[in-house]
Amino acid sequence: AQKITQTQPGMFVQEKEAVTLDCTYDTSDQSYGLFWYKQPSSGEMIFLIYQGSYDEQNATEGRYSLNFQKARKSANLVISASQLGDSAMYFCAMREGGAAGNKLTFGGGTRVLVKP
Amino acid sequence: GAGVSQSPSNKVTEKGKDVELRCDPISGHTALYWYRQSLGQGLEFLIYFQGNSAPDKSGLPSDRFSAERTGGSVSTLTIQRTQQEDSAVYLCASSPQGGVYSDTQYFGPGTRLTVL
Repeated sequence: AQKITQTQPGMFVQEKEAVTLDCTYDTSDQSYGLFWYKQPSSGEMIFLIYQGSYDEQNATEGRYSLNFQKARKSANLVISASQLGDSAMYFCAMREGGAAGNKLTFGGGTRVLVKP
Repeated sequence: GAGVSQSPSNKVTEKGKDVELRCDPISGHTALYWYRQSLGQGLEFLIYFQGNSAPDKSGLPSDRFSAERTGGSVSTLTIQRTQQEDSAVYLCASSPQGGVYSDTQYFGPGTRLTVL
């Protein structure tokens, strides 16, 4: 079974509008971390935002916020006021606790194209 | 400070040749990771280093793949007798601690390997 599912392979968003990227995850661990990364066409993976499983507040970092719904096992990324430079692939990833906590497990990614 | 660096940025080799990929982590980061990104398989974990030891090699696809880390810093991923299916982008990441689900991994720009 997929541990991280991103159901939107690609989406368009108008410049200055907000966009929500979906991510659902599957784990039986109580302790885990959820991460979002951006990968522009240059190829580098850029860390955006982190949410811990015990965090009660949704994480925010500038124009990025994470809509964390633990019971539904979802961790959607919201990008507000989209800019042309936001066009990229976005990956949701999970790091579990315990022995499995050595690695990130990634979803398949969502390609975002911001239109002027 | 300087981020994670990788070399070479691109490598073209012939089937059956050996290749070495290098990663220089962020200074002070004790944990280092290798991932592979290919069109068919997405982002896959390969190996995790804590200091110079590799407690998790579970993602290495075959015994043609090996990696080492020296001085708690630079790491080399070696692929022997390369095959066409080894063609991918090899990403290196480092993190301050390792082994903790909240520990954020920071990625390098990757090495694009093409096996002819």
